[in-house]
Amino acid sequence: KAGVTQTPRYLIKTRGQQVTLSCSPISGHRSVSWYQQTPGQGLQFLFEYFSETQRNKGNFPGRFSGRQFSNSRSEMNVSTLELGDSALYLCASSFQTPGTDTQYFGPGTRLTVL
Amino acid sequence: AQSVSQHNHHVILSEAASLELGCNYSYGGTVNLFWYVQYPGQHLQLLLKYFSGDPLVKGIKGFEAEFIKSKFSFNLRKPSVQWSDTAEYFCAVTNAGNNRKLIWGLGTSLAVNP
Repeated sequence: KAGVTQTPRYLIKTRGQQVTLSCSPISGHRSVSWYQQTPGQGLQFLFEYFSETQRNKGNFPGRFSGRQFSNSRSEMNVSTLELGDSALYLCASSFQTPGTDTQYFGPGTRLTVL
Repeated sequence: AQSVSQHNHHVILSEAASLELGCNYSYGGTVNLFWYVQYPGQHLQLLLKYFSGDPLVKGIKGFEAEFIKSKFSFNLRKPSVQWSDTAEYFCAVTNAGNNRKLIWGLGTSLAVNP
């Protein structure tokens, strides 16, 4: 079974730009969660989608948004990039809700904002 | 608000030493508990999880964790570490039930010297 894939793997943007990251979950998984990982803040939950509906949301500003398609693939978008958005963005998929099921993580997208 | 505390941010051990990584959470209700591990250059992966039953759970690679409800703790242990255990370890907690988001600790970086 193929694992969780994320594209692109690396991204360099400048302040004020916007970016879209993509995640393809494991086949059959309906839940996709997004996390921001930084050395100082650890793993911070962004949002979770289940069957195209946002089920949970973390404490991030509205510049961070996401969506999920009918094939469970998910995208997250960050608008008006700030320097502090530089981070590793991880996607994880699971069959059921993350709180009751194992999450499988992708390799992440490393975003650098200059 | 729910929170997860991992007391040891950086741990350095020699091979064959015993390991215990602390994890405490703040939620008072029924919880589901997880330990995830991130080996250098690899994806985050599940080490072990506890939902109910025997509070001593065994995971992959000889790791185990004990859930002590009265202490709100879920400490990770391994009797004899190996160099290959060098990794970042994350504790995560959610209140049991559907549609609950995971709360993550900041992680513990473990370095095992050969």
